[in-house]
Amino acid sequence: NAGVTQTPKFRVLKTGQSMTLLCAQDMNHEYMYWYRQDPGMGLRLIHYSVGEGTTAKGEVPDGYNVSRLKKQNFLLGLESAAPSQTSVYFCASSYSRRTQYFGPGTRLLVL
Amino acid sequence: GESVGLHLPTLSVQEGDNSIINCAYSNSASDYFIWYKQESGKGPQFIIDIRSNMDKRQGQRVTVLLNKTVKHLSLQIAATQPGDSAVYFCADPTPNAGNMLTFGGGTRLMVKP
Repeated sequence: NAGVTQTPKFRVLKTGQSMTLLCAQDMNHEYMYWYRQDPGMGLRLIHYSVGEGTTAKGEVPDGYNVSRLKKQNFLLGLESAAPSQTSVYFCASSYSRRTQYFGPGTRLLVL
Repeated sequence: GESVGLHLPTLSVQEGDNSIINCAYSNSASDYFIWYKQESGKGPQFIIDIRSNMDKRQGQRVTVLLNKTVKHLSLQIAATQPGDSAVYFCADPTPNAGNMLTFGGGTRLMVKP
């Protein structure tokens, strides 16, 4: 039982490049989330999903897209990366309103 | 909008002492709170939660107190150890937004040996 895994762990992009971050969970959770965390700040929700095939916007969705084609996977896409998207990205999943389980994070640097 | 926030950015305690980390919230309708611990370079880890029909909940070396009158939470860590050094967040799940967690900025706990 690996819990929540994220790939890649670290990535450097140039402005304008695109990439996809992958989140996978093996706990059969319905809910999945993508957060970003900037230095000295709490986590802010980008997008979330309440089930396979569904997605919704969070607090800071601009510049990101997501897809939940399979229950266990939640993908976060950056179509045209900007330096303001330099951050640490965390994926989380949960069964109910109770505990959200977080992945180890992806560090993204946009030059 | 509603927010969950923390009083102090950094707390330094001596190993073996008790630690108290505070959190204020503004949404009177909040009925469930979660404390997370985040170690450097890692994702947040669940510590303990509490529902609004409780004033106190105890875990292993941790206790959370809830004062609904003044909208205040505290996390108490007994006999603080070096492994407790981390950033601690309180969070409030929002049921009408897929249980989105609203986090405060966090309190960094530093344990002096």
